[in-house]
Amino acid sequence: ETGVTQTPRHLVMGMTNKKSLKCEQHLGHNAMYWYKQSAKKPLELMFVYSLEERVENNSVPSRFSPECPNSSHLFLHLHTLQPEDSALYLCASSPGTGAPYEQYFGPGTRLTVT
Amino acid sequence: KNEVEQSPQNLTAQEGEFITINCSYSVGISALHWLQQHPGGGIVSLFMLSSGKKKHGRLIATINIQEKHSSLHITASHPRDSAVYICAVPSQGNLIFGKGTKLSVKP
Repeated sequence: ETGVTQTPRHLVMGMTNKKSLKCEQHLGHNAMYWYKQSAKKPLELMFVYSLEERVENNSVPSRFSPECPNSSHLFLHLHTLQPEDSALYLCASSPGTGAPYEQYFGPGTRLTVT
Repeated sequence: KNEVEQSPQNLTAQEGEFITINCSYSVGISALHWLQQHPGGGIVSLFMLSSGKKKHGRLIATINIQEKHSSLHITASHPRDSAVYICAVPSQGNLIFGKGTKLSVKP
């Protein structure tokens, strides 16, 4: 059981759809992350938020739009995605940003773009 | 650029066997993480270590900072240990990850 939840767990969407992924952490952490995991590839960091402020954006296409309304919630808004965006999207949180902190992961959202 | 290499990529073992998974990285770090990812996708942090050895149940993680190498050992392996094991190291304030080692333990 983790303190990080993600919804939905599975999502199938067409390339013209707009959808949102939601992440919630119940750990009192100050930092939250979005990762993308494609088949046969390592986890790729997409976005980092610290105290609701975006501190890192790893050159992610604009069709992915993050939102962090407070330190417990993180969204990833999706629009006009491509089939190659199909992947597992993982949310994580940590007490702060930086090396000494462990990250706690959610169960992920399995996204399929048709 | 910090690179993380894991070996082997895939590993099949019989129940009860001793398992070793290796991780090498290219630049100096303050700590290294071992993570476990089950088939459903969820990731659990197993260890964060900066020196020596840590043990949790049947899992043991060791690190040699000078050689830039870490190992994850599983003693008396069990089918429920079947998962992908991922090594991660900090780089510029964030974590970068190895590709993972897929372990399958047969009964």
